[in-house]
Amino acid sequence: GAGVSQSPSNKVTEKGKDVELRCDPISGHTALYWYRQRLGQGLEFLIYFQGNSAPDKSGLPSDRFSAERTGESVSTLTIQRTQQEDSAVYLCASRPTGGSPYEQYFGPGTRLTVT
Amino acid sequence: DQQVKQNSPSLSVQEGRISILNCDYTNSMFDYFLWYKKYPAEGPTFLISISSIKDKNEDGRFTVFLNKSAKHLSLHIVPSQPGDSAVYFCAASTFGNEKLTFGTGTRLTIIP
Repeated sequence: GAGVSQSPSNKVTEKGKDVELRCDPISGHTALYWYRQRLGQGLEFLIYFQGNSAPDKSGLPSDRFSAERTGESVSTLTIQRTQQEDSAVYLCASRPTGGSPYEQYFGPGTRLTVT
Repeated sequence: DQQVKQNSPSLSVQEGRISILNCDYTNSMFDYFLWYKKYPAEGPTFLISISSIKDKNEDGRFTVFLNKSAKHLSLHIVPSQPGDSAVYFCAASTFGNEKLTFGTGTRLTIIP
């Protein structure tokens, strides 16, 4: 079956522009997560969705970052007025209802470069 | 503040020998620990986990050891195979919390 997919795989943008990153979780997976990995660092939690609601947004680094999820499927992470420090690989993960919260299925990520 | 640390960025091991990857944590509230494996251009995949009520968990060639007093865990791979060459991430969480805290990863290279 299809895994978690993310688009685009690579994105280069100019500082100050807005970007949207898309995540398609595995069908039927109700929980969805966004992480980012900056160069030389570990994966950093951004936000968690259960269905369409986001009970944990604690990892969003600033109000320039927002995420939404519609139809308990696709999620979009939006970064407004991008800065160079936003350059990172953005990873999405999902897990099924009733599955362990710890065994998350990751997509391949979107590499964002802000010039 | 790096709560999960993997101090070895890279490790090379001869095929057939044991690979030992280490991870330290600082948050004593963590009670569940995981290892993920990542190949280039792919997302991390879950490998093995351990709860804080145990000190060892084994799955085939993979064993994770937890030393709570030292706030240290390790992943042993025996015997190491070329397909084990990847980046390994240690992660930790607290019970009921969806958020995983990851280390920076160790790149394991298995030498044929």
